[in-house]
Amino acid sequence: GENVEQHPSTLSVQEGDSAVIKCTYSDSASNYFPWYKQELGKGPQLIIDIRSNVGEKKDQRIAVTLNKTAKHFSLHITETQPEDSAVYFCAAIIFNTGNQFYFGTGTSLTVIP
Amino acid sequence: DTEVTQTPKHLVMGMTNKKSLKCEQHMGHRAMYWYKQKAKKPPELMFVYSYEKLSINESVPSRFSPECPNSSLLNLHLHALQPEDSALYLCASSQDTVSSYNEQFFGPGTRLTVL
Repeated sequence: GENVEQHPSTLSVQEGDSAVIKCTYSDSASNYFPWYKQELGKGPQLIIDIRSNVGEKKDQRIAVTLNKTAKHFSLHITETQPEDSAVYFCAAIIFNTGNQFYFGTGTSLTVIP
Repeated sequence: DTEVTQTPKHLVMGMTNKKSLKCEQHMGHRAMYWYKQKAKKPPELMFVYSYEKLSINESVPSRFSPECPNSSLLNLHLHALQPEDSALYLCASSQDTVSSYNEQFFGPGTRLTVL
């Protein structure tokens, strides 16, 4: 099955700085890569996603890049704010195989005011 | 309405109790999921229902029994649980299990404590 690795496990940045979280996956058949943000006491919320036929996607301060050859994708958050503090999970999915999500191990991001 | 609701928010139960977790969505989704999440870990898939039929059971112990009464509701029946079953139980839904753009919407979870 798919194996997703995520780094770093914890990340602290000063408010206004950028944060980058990286994930690698093992199965070249994976074709959908969402990122979820989970705040304390809440369920994961999708913040951005990318499909395998796209190299980059941006939504305001958040961007995701995908390198299919190297089998890695990254989340970029610019101009970080304290409310960005949360745990972030990447995932890799192979469609047509039951939509099973393979989650990364999570990154706990702390934005220091 | 892009919301998945779960009840109760918190549940404390003894090892001999029987309880149920409930999940509801009104997005017309035909796939629903149960996940278990331990602290500081990613969600672990337990069950997948597709068109009200169980399609994936990730070797979950029989003390967890899922039920999908209709396309909007998903239950998880709990019986004779162990303290190590204490976790956050998340429900999610998606359009189906095969579409090529298939975001999973997660509920807020039920925090379960087994004494």
